[in-house]
Amino acid sequence: SQTIHQWPATLVQPVGSPLSLECTVEGTSNPNLYWYRQAAGRGLQLLFYSVGIGQISSEVPQNLSASRPQDRQFILSSKKLLLSDSGFYLCAWSTNHGTTRYNEQFFGPGTRLTVL
Amino acid sequence: AQKITQTQPGMFVQEKEAVTLDCTYDTSDPSYGLFWYKQPSSGEMIFLIYQGSYDQQNATEGRYSLNFQKARKSANLVISASQLGDSAMYFCAMREASWAAGNKLTFGGGTRVLVKP
Repeated sequence: SQTIHQWPATLVQPVGSPLSLECTVEGTSNPNLYWYRQAAGRGLQLLFYSVGIGQISSEVPQNLSASRPQDRQFILSSKKLLLSDSGFYLCAWSTNHGTTRYNEQFFGPGTRLTVL
Repeated sequence: AQKITQTQPGMFVQEKEAVTLDCTYDTSDPSYGLFWYKQPSSGEMIFLIYQGSYDQQNATEGRYSLNFQKARKSANLVISASQLGDSAMYFCAMREASWAAGNKLTFGGGTRVLVKP
């Protein structure tokens, strides 16, 4: 079965510090990968997605970047955090080739980031 | 323009009663899919149910059913026989048939449900 991991679970960082959040998927190959941000009590905003190694698409202009150095690894980074980067970050994966029932997205447990 | 609208920010429901969560969407694509996810206070997103635009019947998954009205562009989630564990945020999401764009989802703002004993 497939599993998705995110770390760290929580993070408190000062403004201007760098950021690296990691997401890994097990039990599947060549997944689509996604980074979302969720403000408190709000919906999910898609930040980045990737359909393959080294292929990153950005959905919104921002202070963040993403990389996919390996097939099942997705990293969210920032060189200098802003207060507005605080939020709950969710990684997700999906498949396009019908190995799941509806090609639905499966989510990781999330990282709660507080920028002070 | 907002593509997924959930007009109920929060609602209470009595345990063992049914509750309907509203979702309307906007798309010009004839082929699309609609999803509902549950987010408990722990933060994880749990997939509940899926409805394809060409599906002839409303989707059902256990206590969850989807009231799909294509002409009205609505896909309301019905939870029957509510349980205390149903207390959570519920999100409606849409996938348009742009596979080259990576199977992306657009989410609504969510509805918070609190089940009262």
